[in-house]
This record gives sequence, C-alpha cells and structure tokens, in this order.
Amino acid sequence: AQKVTQAQTEISVVEKEDVTLDCVYETRDTTYYLFWYKQPPSGELVFLIRRNSFDEQNEISGRYSWNFQKSTSSFNFTITASQVVDSAVYFCALSGSTDSWGKLQFGAGTQVVVTP
Amino acid sequence: DGGITQSPKYLFRKEGQNVTLSCEQNLNHDAMYWYRQDPGQGLRLIYYSQIVNDFQKGDIAEGYSVSREKKESFPLTVTSAQKNPTAFYLCASSMDIRNNQPQHFGDGTRLSIL
Repeated sequence: AQKVTQAQTEISVVEKEDVTLDCVYETRDTTYYLFWYKQPPSGELVFLIRRNSFDEQNEISGRYSWNFQKSTSSFNFTITASQVVDSAVYFCALSGSTDSWGKLQFGAGTQVVVTP
Repeated sequence: DGGITQSPKYLFRKEGQNVTLSCEQNLNHDAMYWYRQDPGQGLRLIYYSQIVNDFQKGDIAEGYSVSREKKESFPLTVTSAQKNPTAFYLCASSMDIRNNQPQHFGDGTRLSIL
C-alpha cells in the first residue's frame, strides 16, 4: 500500500521568511513518481513539480526548491523569501507502477499562512 | 484557453436525490479522474477513466457512478446511496495514465445537503 504523510498541519510565517514543508512517503514500487500541488483559496489544484524515483537531483524553480532523499523516503519543499501570495494548502502526492499507475495518493496537506 | 471546466460551482442535494456533476476538458487528454476532498484532508480518488467507454473504481467509489461516452466529458453522479455527500469534488485529467503525467484540475464543485 502507498502512503504519504505530511505531518505539518499548518505553518505560519511572516513575509520574507523561508518555509519548508515536509513530505514522507511509503511505497513498495521501485519506480514511482512524486508530485507537489498548490491549492489556493479559490480551490483548484495547481501542479508544481513531478519527480521520478530515479532522479534524486534537487531542483530549484525561482523561489521554490525541492529536496528528494530516497534514503529517508522524503521529498521536502522549501519556499524561499515567502510572499503573501504563497498562502495556500500544499499537497504532496505519490503515484506508483503496476496497478497504481497514474493514481495519485495524496497527503493531508499543509496550510501555509504568510502574513505581511 | 485549454482547461477543465466543472459545473456547477455550488450544488445542493435533497435527501434521496441523485445529482450529477459535470466535468469537461479541451486538453485532448485520454485520462480523467474524480476526487473528493473533505475539510482538512487530502484528495481521495473516486473513479478514473483511461479512455473513452472505460472507467475503474478508485478508493471510495461506493455511492457514486460515472460515464465516459466522449473523450472530453466525464460526469459524476452522486447517488442517494452516498450517505455523506457533503464535500468538495475535483475533476482532473492527464495525457495518459501509464506515464504518470501531471494531472490538471478543474475549479471544483462544492456539494452540500439541504
């Protein structure tokens, strides 16, 4: 069975602070994909990143960066110099191989609140 | 613009009533999905479809039904058998299932019981 754990329910920061969101996953598949999505107050989910299990390189996209560590089954997400527009719920998700192709297993989400 | 359109935005259901949520996409995607989101929780998969005229149950299919008669459309019916239908429903699509391409989501439908 696949599982995604986002232990942080809510994180509150002041604008310009950095914030790191933790994601720990469980899977028996050797090939799998990890995703991060952002859900602003309007409700739709916005895709941020996809990472496959064979690519452990960290990635940076503007103020966003991701740290994938297979040894600890973690795929953490950092927002640098946070802004009010970053306030949203962030979801980590996992999809595997064989009978779980394309079927996303979501974590419970982390609410990020950025205050001016 | 290409995207996914869900309607209505808000929907109210009376006891014993079936209601249908619409999902249309113009991204030419083969795969489509329905998720349910409850407050403070992640999304749970209700049904998914890899291709026209084919669909499979997800993790919480009981009380729901779907159809996929056209590539662009994947409506979800919440039947009277679903005893706790109040939730936020999100439709998604992806190019296909097997390559684990990112899913693109609609704006959601919020369903409540009257």
